[in-house]
Amino acid sequence: DTGVSQDPRHKITKRGQNVTFRCDPISEHNRLYWYRQTLGQGPEFLTYFQNEAQLEKSRLLSDRFSAERPKGSFSTLEIQRTEQGDSAMYLCASSLDTSNYGYTFGSGTRLTVV
Amino acid sequence: DQQVKQNSPSLSVQEGRISILNCDYTNSMFDYFLWYKKYPAEGPTFLISISSIKDKNEDGRFTVFLNKSAKHLSLHIVPSQPGDSAVYFCAASVGASGSRLTFGEGTQLTVNP
Repeated sequence: DTGVSQDPRHKITKRGQNVTFRCDPISEHNRLYWYRQTLGQGPEFLTYFQNEAQLEKSRLLSDRFSAERPKGSFSTLEIQRTEQGDSAMYLCASSLDTSNYGYTFGSGTRLTVV
Repeated sequence: DQQVKQNSPSLSVQEGRISILNCDYTNSMFDYFLWYKKYPAEGPTFLISISSIKDKNEDGRFTVFLNKSAKHLSLHIVPSQPGDSAVYFCAASVGASGSRLTFGEGTQLTVNP
């Protein structure tokens, strides 16, 4: 297991289209997080899962955003009716719930809405 | 409402000298703090952390200092190396066990040979 994998690395989409990103966490990690990072800012929390349960959602996660983690393994983040303001780096991270050493982040998916 | 702030967008130091990166926070509930390093086209990687019960934590060339009364923490890198050139993010959480993190804006460190 080489870490947290995200797919695709880059996505360019037209405004109004739907997009879906995938994250494969480190296999023994039971927590999975989604963050969004825009230029010049730090990552902002979107949501997290403990196994398959979505335990917390940020108010940044509008009703156009939905995340799933079926069977507590990989996760998907879908954005419906994309807007230009959705352009950002979407970062996935995973951790053990007893970890005191922070998350392991993936390399992210860069979304550009044109 | 920026609860974690890194007021210096960039810092440039000479190789071998000390790099000091600063971070301030406003939320008194934060009790666990972390520093991450990020290279271009990669996700942030964990560097070092500190619990609020401590005021200093050291790991090799990296030391984090926490001043709870001032709600301030700093990361010292000694000696600085060109490979340390990256964006450094300060992050804070309530609780240490994999809690949601609140990040600062980041500081671009450049270490010149």
